[in-house]
Amino acid sequence: GAGVSQSPSNKVTEKGKDVELRCDPISGHTALYWYRQRLGQGLEFLIYFQGNSAPDKSGLPSDRFSAERTGESVSTLTIQRTQQEDSAVYLCASSLSLGRDYEQYFGPGTRLTVT
Amino acid sequence: TQLLEQSPQFLSIQEGENLTVYCNSSSVFSSLQWYRQEPGEGPVLLVTVVTGGEVKKLKRLTFQFGDARKDSSLHITAAQPGDTGLYLCAGAQPGGTSYGKLTFGQGTILTVHP
Repeated sequence: GAGVSQSPSNKVTEKGKDVELRCDPISGHTALYWYRQRLGQGLEFLIYFQGNSAPDKSGLPSDRFSAERTGESVSTLTIQRTQQEDSAVYLCASSLSLGRDYEQYFGPGTRLTVT
Repeated sequence: TQLLEQSPQFLSIQEGENLTVYCNSSSVFSSLQWYRQEPGEGPVLLVTVVTGGEVKKLKRLTFQFGDARKDSSLHITAAQPGDTGLYLCAGAQPGGTSYGKLTFGQGTILTVHP
């Protein structure tokens, strides 16, 4: 079946503009995660959803970042008034349910460049 | 905040050599996962270790979880060019509202030369 898909694959934007990143999880997966990855580094947790509820938003870097999820389907990560330090790859993952026993399947990411 | 220190950050070796990557923390994790990531792709899970002292083998890869569940290692025997990539360790939070949340190490970029 289809894996996790993300769009766009690449996004170049000017500083100060808003951007919206989209994630389509694997069908039937109730948990969805957003991570940020700077070049050649590990992943930084941003937020996760169980269904359309986000119990832990502690990883969002600032109030310019927000995320929502419609039911157990698509999620969007919105960055307002983008800054150059927002440049990174934004990765989305989904899992069948929440918890350590459920493998997270990652999408290919959206590479965001803020000029 | 739970942190995972991964070392070394870079590793460049010749085909056939052995190597070990370490992942250390002062915090306890409910499980520890190892991922491999290729350029332009998301990480792919290699293994999950759950029990303190657990050892898992995946062909030429051996994964170990520390007795106290605070550290882990990945050992590759007779490395091949196809092993080249970014290796990431990730610890799962024990519980609460962060249940299932993964904390990642900084990654090890492995290059195996023919």
